[in-house]
Amino acid sequence: DTAVSQTPKYLVTQMGNDKSIKCEQNLGHDTMYWYKQDSKKFLKIMFSYNNKELIINETVPNRFSPKSPDKAHLNLHINSLELGDSAVYFCASSQDLTGGAAIEQYFGPGTRLTVT
Amino acid sequence: AQKVTQAQTEISVVEKEDVTLDCVYETRDTTYYLFWYKQPPSGELVFLIRRNSFDEQNEISGRYSWNFQKSTSSFNFTITASQVVDSAVYFCALKNQAGTALIFGKGTTLSVSS
Repeated sequence: DTAVSQTPKYLVTQMGNDKSIKCEQNLGHDTMYWYKQDSKKFLKIMFSYNNKELIINETVPNRFSPKSPDKAHLNLHINSLELGDSAVYFCASSQDLTGGAAIEQYFGPGTRLTVT
Repeated sequence: AQKVTQAQTEISVVEKEDVTLDCVYETRDTTYYLFWYKQPPSGELVFLIRRNSFDEQNEISGRYSWNFQKSTSSFNFTITASQVVDSAVYFCALKNQAGTALIFGKGTTLSVSS
């Protein structure tokens, strides 16, 4: 009965490869997110997405692309991986996107990506 | 600009001590939301509390309590009678009415020893 799940939990790959991280939520939420946590534990938004719009943090390289096959899934695809992409990536979901009664975000367990 | 400052990088206490984690935020919006998340050593992010800008009532949940003061733009978190299981990184976060993402502070690492 996991609320937000991610696969894989660990991902080790070489520079230049393309990889995907999958995220699924069973909370019935309308909005999903991807965050990046760097080696200093700093968390930063990468994407926000609901059925109406995709909001991209302008600092995110276009090698990163979110793909949502349906409301319960938001996968993260990364092209041409670089050493600096090594981090923990968290998926999250919330009922509402902006204001509202239920905007708290629930996070998945994280995917630790290591690029060698 | 929106910003969250957690000035305490690391705090170490002994079990049963009370500890307060500070959070100061900056926003120009009149409607905003504040959050605390816990990240234990296992790595997941656990939602603890949300506070709306129009609700300055303090909240207590077991050993946890939160003090929201708009006058000082602070949303501090106190753990009473700390336990080893409280050892974690604690993040304070801010979200404006129109914004979609959480703006996180850099986190405070709390270590509770027995």
